[in-house]
Parts: sequence; C-alpha cells; structure tokens
Amino acid sequence: GAVVSQHPSRVICKSGTSVKIECRSLDFQATTMFWYRQFPKKSLMLMATSNEGSKATYEQGVEKDKFLINHASLTLSTLTVTSAHPEDSSFYICSAPRRGNTEAFFGQGTRLTVV
Amino acid sequence: DQQVKQNSPSLSVQEGRISILNCDYTNSMFDYFLWYKKYPAEGPTFLISISSIKDKNEDGRFTVFLNKSAKHLSLHIVPSQPGDSAVYFCAAHGNAGNMLTFGGGTRLMVKP
Repeated sequence: GAVVSQHPSRVICKSGTSVKIECRSLDFQATTMFWYRQFPKKSLMLMATSNEGSKATYEQGVEKDKFLINHASLTLSTLTVTSAHPEDSSFYICSAPRRGNTEAFFGQGTRLTVV
Repeated sequence: DQQVKQNSPSLSVQEGRISILNCDYTNSMFDYFLWYKKYPAEGPTFLISISSIKDKNEDGRFTVFLNKSAKHLSLHIVPSQPGDSAVYFCAAHGNAGNMLTFGGGTRLMVKP
C-alpha cells in the first residue's frame, strides 16, 4: 500500500538552531503534501499546504519565515523550523493524498524538543 | 469556526462492550468522511471511511454511520478491546486541494 515516510522521528535541538524534517511519499507521487502540528491533548492543526514546484500555502497565524517548506520534487517535502525556540517543541506530522484517492496517508510524525 | 467537532474529549469503555465515538460537522459540502486512530508519538492511521452518498460502512469490528440531515457521524467499535485505546479523529473532505478538516479528537480508553 501507499506509504509516507517522515524523518527523523525524534529530534532534540538547542534553542536558536534550525531543524529540517523530511516527508517522502514512497510509492506514489504527491503534488501536494500537508504539514500538521499537534499540541499536547489537542487536535492536529494544519500548518501549511506544500505544493510541488510552487510556494507553500500557510494557514493563518503560521509564520512562513519560521516554518520554511520546500516541495522540490513529487516525492519529497521538507519542513525547516528555523531559529527554534522551546515553544516550537511539538509533534509535527506530514500527510500526502494520492491522486484519485480521498484518503490521506500520514507520516510517522516527528517529535521536536527544543532545549 | 470549527467545521468538524468531536464534543467528547474522552470516553471510557469496558472491554467487550461497544464504543461509540461521535462527530458533528457544519459544512454541507463535505462529501467524504474518515476516521483515524492515533497512538501517542505516532502519526494517525486510517481506520474507516464513508462517502456522503452512504449511511453506513462496516469493516470488521468498526462501523461508521452517517446522518446527513443531522450532519452527524459516529464510529462504533464492538467488541471493544484494550488495544483500541487511542485517540480517534474524525476528518472530513470536500474542500479544495484534497485537504482534510479534522475534529478535535476523542481519547478512548478501553478497560480490561
């Protein structure tokens, strides 16, 4: 079946550094990928829609300069958390819909801890 | 404005009994609904879905019911098992770009 792979699954970084999270669709091409963030005991919040070959679309309240998204190929989207701060600590999840399939496939998620 | 709502943040059920998780939506343009299950520190996994043209879809122990007039759907798990303990999200599709709109989630605890 279709698989979306997200890497790394867990990362601890120092405040002020940048962290890159990768999301790959393994057996299908994804022109669109979605990045979500989950706060403790809260729902998945859509951060941005990543579009292959064009700029990402950010949800209201999400800082585009802080959360850089690059969708350079049909199978890879990256989310870079720049100048990370402790309040950026969260669980980040990507998902990718396969063309013609309503179901969205999710990555395994990345637990980011900024110390 | 929350278009998909799960009004019960948590639910506790005895093993072997039925678990019923509810979800309400406001957007009549949604045409497909999905349920996802999420364990801590893992990404959500797809559980079951239903098209807006149907009112019921069954897959093993899981059944999803859709009441379009009430804009309400529910997930029934029977019999419930301890391994079903997780957070369940309902999601709706119908917006442009294949985007899913998620509910807030319901934490299900199945007690042995």
